[in-house]
Amino acid sequence: DTGVSQDPRHKITKRGQNVTFRCDPISEHNRLYWYRQTLGQGPEFLTYFQNEAQLEKSRLLSDRFSAERPKGSFSTLEIQRTEQGDSAMYLCASSNREDTEAFFGQGTRLTVV
Amino acid sequence: GNSVTQMEGPVTLSEEAFLTINCTYTATGYPSLFWYVQYPGEGLQLLLKATKADDKGSNKGFEATYRKETTSFHLEKGSVQVSDSAVYFCALSDSSASKIIFGSGTRLSIRP
Repeated sequence: DTGVSQDPRHKITKRGQNVTFRCDPISEHNRLYWYRQTLGQGPEFLTYFQNEAQLEKSRLLSDRFSAERPKGSFSTLEIQRTEQGDSAMYLCASSNREDTEAFFGQGTRLTVV
Repeated sequence: GNSVTQMEGPVTLSEEAFLTINCTYTATGYPSLFWYVQYPGEGLQLLLKATKADDKGSNKGFEATYRKETTSFHLEKGSVQVSDSAVYFCALSDSSASKIIFGSGTRLSIRP
């Protein structure tokens, strides 16, 4: 399978718990993106990596959110002290250079109860 | 800042009808423009793209032309099918290509 892979597909957690999601991009892609999508809305940009460097973070990414891409391959997105407002679909995408399409994974659906 | 505005849905059409979904953008520089589609239960996938003014992107019978003078990238299809029922997102890649910015999406439903 050469697509973008995300794990887990679904996560239910209690408010206040920490969660971590993983994204494996397409192997030759050096750019990796995280987005959040809520019902009825388009994906909102969260952060962007080129190789292992995190080059941009959205204002949406509060201090409770952190993302890493330690070896320029897979990436993790951690949310600490989850809140009900964090419930959303978290999407990962990758691309190999500017002005080309980004390929999206199936997403991780987070439900905070 | 850069943004994308697309017509609100839902849009409901009969099979074989003509489809237009309007999209306009605000951007500095020369963005690339995209239409992504999300079929029920599936992830986002690229439908078509255009990277410079007057380019026409096309795929699966859908077309969109990059109009810099009107800052638009409207999606059209001459004869829709039930299988085209999905959510369609207009998007742009800013000139630094650090991210893709999406519109809010238009849900399309096609009646047999």
